[in-house]
Amino acid sequence: DVKVTQSSRYLVKRTGEKVFLECVQDMDHENMFWYRQDPGLGLRLIYFSYDVKMKEKGDIPEGYSVSREKKERFSLILESASTNQTSMYLCASSLSQLMNTEAFFGQGTRLTVV
Amino acid sequence: GENVEQHPSTLSVQEGDSAVIKCTYSDSASNYFPWYKQELGKRPQLIIDIRSNVGEKKDQRIAVTLNKTAKHFSLHITETQPEDSAVYFCAASNFNKFYFGSGTKLNVKP
Repeated sequence: DVKVTQSSRYLVKRTGEKVFLECVQDMDHENMFWYRQDPGLGLRLIYFSYDVKMKEKGDIPEGYSVSREKKERFSLILESASTNQTSMYLCASSLSQLMNTEAFFGQGTRLTVV
Repeated sequence: GENVEQHPSTLSVQEGDSAVIKCTYSDSASNYFPWYKQELGKRPQLIIDIRSNVGEKKDQRIAVTLNKTAKHFSLHITETQPEDSAVYFCAASNFNKFYFGSGTKLNVKP
């Protein structure tokens, strides 16, 4: 059973802080994703990684960066948190670029920036 | 990039009725179309998927249809039950990125 685990369920941070959201998957998946979920907007892709140290911007990368130093771990970084980054953040992973298979999601991190 | 549109945003049905959710996509290279169900406070989970070489797929009360020419795909739930109440997301993928619709909140009234 694939497990995608996000380090925190809830976070409260102050404006201007640097914030790290961590995600770990245990099924040797090549692809990992960070999405932001807001009511009425669905899931919007922030960043995508298909291999260690490889990353691609999604639709809304501004204000975010990512790090993938190990295959199982994908971190989302908010360089200087702002109130408009208050949201639910979902990490996901999928097997490979070579095969179309489902994405498995983490439980989500609800981030509040005050 | 890909643009996925999903309708309706909310859907209320009586228990036992059918529910249909529709999505359109823009990128003809998309070839994998999963549907996810997200219950309140939980992570999205796959309920059914379809690949571009198939026109229809069924799994018990759930079916998905795909029209590649028109670039649209639909989720059909028959004999709805209260436990079907959730937010449903469609997605389109081309081997790497997944692009999601905005979600449909389905309410099944007992």
